[in-house]
Amino acid sequence: ETGVTQTPRHLVMGMTNKKSLKCEQHLGHNAMYWYKQSAKKPLELMFVYNFKEQTENNSVPSRFSPECPNSSHLFLHLHTLQPEDSALYLCASSQASSGQETQYFGPGTRLLVL
Amino acid sequence: DQQVKQNSPSLSVQEGRISILNCDYTNSMFDYFLWYKKYPAEGPTFLISISSIKDKNEDGRFTVFLNKSAKHLSLHIVPSQPGDSAVYFCAAIQGAQKLVFGQGTRLTINP
Repeated sequence: ETGVTQTPRHLVMGMTNKKSLKCEQHLGHNAMYWYKQSAKKPLELMFVYNFKEQTENNSVPSRFSPECPNSSHLFLHLHTLQPEDSALYLCASSQASSGQETQYFGPGTRLLVL
Repeated sequence: DQQVKQNSPSLSVQEGRISILNCDYTNSMFDYFLWYKKYPAEGPTFLISISSIKDKNEDGRFTVFLNKSAKHLSLHIVPSQPGDSAVYFCAAIQGAQKLVFGQGTRLTINP
């Protein structure tokens, strides 16, 4: 595997379900990100992890719970979601340096909440 | 309030011609700008970037121009090819690592 991978690619869940999204980066980067893209809206940053530590939470509701066990893996745990949470969830990684680094994205997980 | 705007939701260009995609921003503190390309069912792919200390960066068929006084950047693709048909996102760095994206422009290259 190369680059940034995400599983599953598609997910349908009910509002009472608990599920997790997984992201893995094979680029040797030290920073990982979760983004959300809702229909007809720009990508929105959700969380930033640097060296496994969360450094940014962009006012995300607590029903989204990230976990970063190491620099290569990032999870997004989902519970009691709402239909408006249906969106494309993208993971990205970068080599954190001056702030002017390029982020590389995975293919995303398309989530539908019923 | 959207800080990065791509006012054209779509653009159609003849194969072989120049494609020009535009992006405007409001935050004068942005110091690094990127263009990403996205095909359906894939994540955004990095194309080209430019630092605010430059006004032009070129990579093969892709050139990005930055006009800081106008808070405007553009991506030129020449010559345009059918494989360039995709959604293009402009993004800017706000502080360390915080990418702010535009809404995207869907580019269609016609044979």
